[in-house]
Amino acid sequence: DQQVKQNSPSLSVQEGRISILNCDYTNSMFDYFLWYKKYPAEGPTFLISISSIKDKNEDGRFTVFLNKSAKHLSLHIVPSQPGDSAVYFCAARGANAGKSTFGDGTTLTVKP
Amino acid sequence: DAGVTQSPTHLIKTRGQQVTLRCSPKSGHDTVSWYQQALGQGPQFIFQYYEEEERQRGNFPDRFSGHQFPNYSSELNVNALLLGDSALYLCASSLQTAPNEKLFFGSGTQLSVL
Repeated sequence: DQQVKQNSPSLSVQEGRISILNCDYTNSMFDYFLWYKKYPAEGPTFLISISSIKDKNEDGRFTVFLNKSAKHLSLHIVPSQPGDSAVYFCAARGANAGKSTFGDGTTLTVKP
Repeated sequence: DAGVTQSPTHLIKTRGQQVTLRCSPKSGHDTVSWYQQALGQGPQFIFQYYEEEERQRGNFPDRFSGHQFPNYSSELNVNALLLGDSALYLCASSLQTAPNEKLFFGSGTQLSVL
């Protein structure tokens, strides 16, 4: 039973446009959510996070939205740049839980 | 400031063998977690070590074991290797007093079991 799902394996966007990556979760005990970006031959690197007490967090071109009632979060990248091309993982964590539960990732391709 | 380092980068083993992977956490971090990432999937939590003890474990068999040393570095051991153990093994470090902080990952060890 996969508790964190990223239903779109891939997404292709034109440079300068908005990229929207989606993530759904099933465990209502999750209270902290993170997005990581992964380039080939590198480990995932942290991008942005959001606590369950918020519905939006913004950091430069990156904004994460959380809809707790729908158990859904999304990552918006505006404007998208070719350097954003990578695999994006959504991760969730429960209160004081050591483990993070990851989705299977979405491969974003930003075309020049 | 050194980040998370893992060794070796790549490893090829045969079924039934044993393997040891190594990880040095980011400077200042005291907690090490191990993840397995199979092809096309997200990282799966194996276990977490803090104060030289296994604090939490994911759904992995006892063939997977670990150790944390006084300098916070860690090892992941896998016995009786199966073909299905072929994957990228990622080490992540964090600070125990900041559980909601981001994880810092190493570049991983790519294990191939033939």
